[in-house]
Amino acid sequence: GAVVSQHPSRVICKSGTSVKIECRSLDFQATTMFWYRQFPKKSLMLMATSNEGSKATYEQGVEKDKFLINHASLTLSTLTVTSAHPEDSSFYICSARDRQDYEQYFGPGTRLTVT
Amino acid sequence: GQNIDQPTEMTATEGAIVQINCTYQTSGFNGLFWYQQHAGEAPTFLSYNVLDGLEEKGRFSSFLSRSKGYSYLLLKELQMKDSASYLCAVMDSNYQLIWGAGTKLIIKP
Repeated sequence: GAVVSQHPSRVICKSGTSVKIECRSLDFQATTMFWYRQFPKKSLMLMATSNEGSKATYEQGVEKDKFLINHASLTLSTLTVTSAHPEDSSFYICSARDRQDYEQYFGPGTRLTVT
Repeated sequence: GQNIDQPTEMTATEGAIVQINCTYQTSGFNGLFWYQQHAGEAPTFLSYNVLDGLEEKGRFSSFLSRSKGYSYLLLKELQMKDSASYLCAVMDSNYQLIWGAGTKLIIKP
């Protein structure tokens, strides 16, 4: 099946710094990528949808200037958490979809801790 | 609005059968997914239903009734490793997934 990787798997950063998370589709072209955030014992919350080569579409309540998403190629999307604060600590998961397919393939997630 | 409902938590015994229900109200329907998620890990795909009826895949089966806005995931011959959260998600008319809050399944020996 299709494989999506995420890097890093865990990151600890200090408050005020920025963190970049990469999401790669390894064996297919991801025309659409999704970024989710998940709080403990909660369901996935869609943050934004990005199509290759165009600007991301952010969900209501998600600050686009704080969570920068770039989907520059068909195999790579990045999420940058700018000026991170402790409340940004969470589990961030990306998923990718090929235009030929209905299924979203999930990355393994990134655990972000802001101290 | 869009809404996906599933029980918060269920408990079952190893070797038994459990059915996890999901009801939905969404703007449009392009299929219903079930995902399994172990603590601290990303969801993994279990099943996809877009037509009414039962889809069987090994120990897991998924059922859909579009007229009732209802689905269930049936797990047979439960194993301890099946302890996880099970997420129901519906793909709406914009091909976006609307997620349920998940059902935490606890398996007891």
